[in-house]
Amino acid sequence: DTGVSQDPRHKITKRGQNVTFRCDPISEHNRLYWYRQTLGQGPEFLTYFQNEAQLEKSRLLSNRFSAERPKGSFSTLEIQRTEQGDSAMYLCASSFGVEKLFFGSGTQLSVL
Amino acid sequence: GQQLNQSPQSMFIQEGEDVSMNCTSSSIFNTWLWYKQDPGEGPVLLIALYKAGELTSNGRLTAQFGITRKDSFLNISASIPSDVGIYFCAGSYNTDKLIFGTGTRLQVFP
Repeated sequence: DTGVSQDPRHKITKRGQNVTFRCDPISEHNRLYWYRQTLGQGPEFLTYFQNEAQLEKSRLLSNRFSAERPKGSFSTLEIQRTEQGDSAMYLCASSFGVEKLFFGSGTQLSVL
Repeated sequence: GQQLNQSPQSMFIQEGEDVSMNCTSSSIFNTWLWYKQDPGEGPVLLIALYKAGELTSNGRLTAQFGITRKDSFLNISASIPSDVGIYFCAGSYNTDKLIFGTGTRLQVFP
């Protein structure tokens, strides 16, 4: 499978716990994006990387969120001290250039 | 965050019917994309548009980049049950990210 891979597919955690998600992009893509999607809404931009550099962060990304892309390959998104409002689908996408983002299947986070 | 307006919000149609949906923005874009999302999955790219007035087809799907650059349209002809899902438009203007619409939920009855 040469598509975008996300792990885990589902995560249930208690409020206050830390969680980390992983994304493996399409290998030849230099850009990697994180989006968040809540029920009934379209995906909302969180942050993106070009190679290993994080070039933009949305104001939606509070200081409890951190994303990394070491060596410009896979990326991780960590949420510290999770809150119930963090419950959402976290989507990763990759692209070569700015258009045509290809998405993974997402990580569904439920904070109890 | 900012989202584009899509209409209708939902559609219930019979198999074989044609479908039309649209997406509007308060600002101009130079790229429009259409995605389809199934429950529990990520969005899948259907069509990409790069020029005002452009009309592009992908099988039974046809999308147009509005002349004003503030809107886009998606048509599905002869709908089939597997067309069920949520359709999202997305646009960008010389930025490094896509802004998504609110989605149109399509239900097809046999």
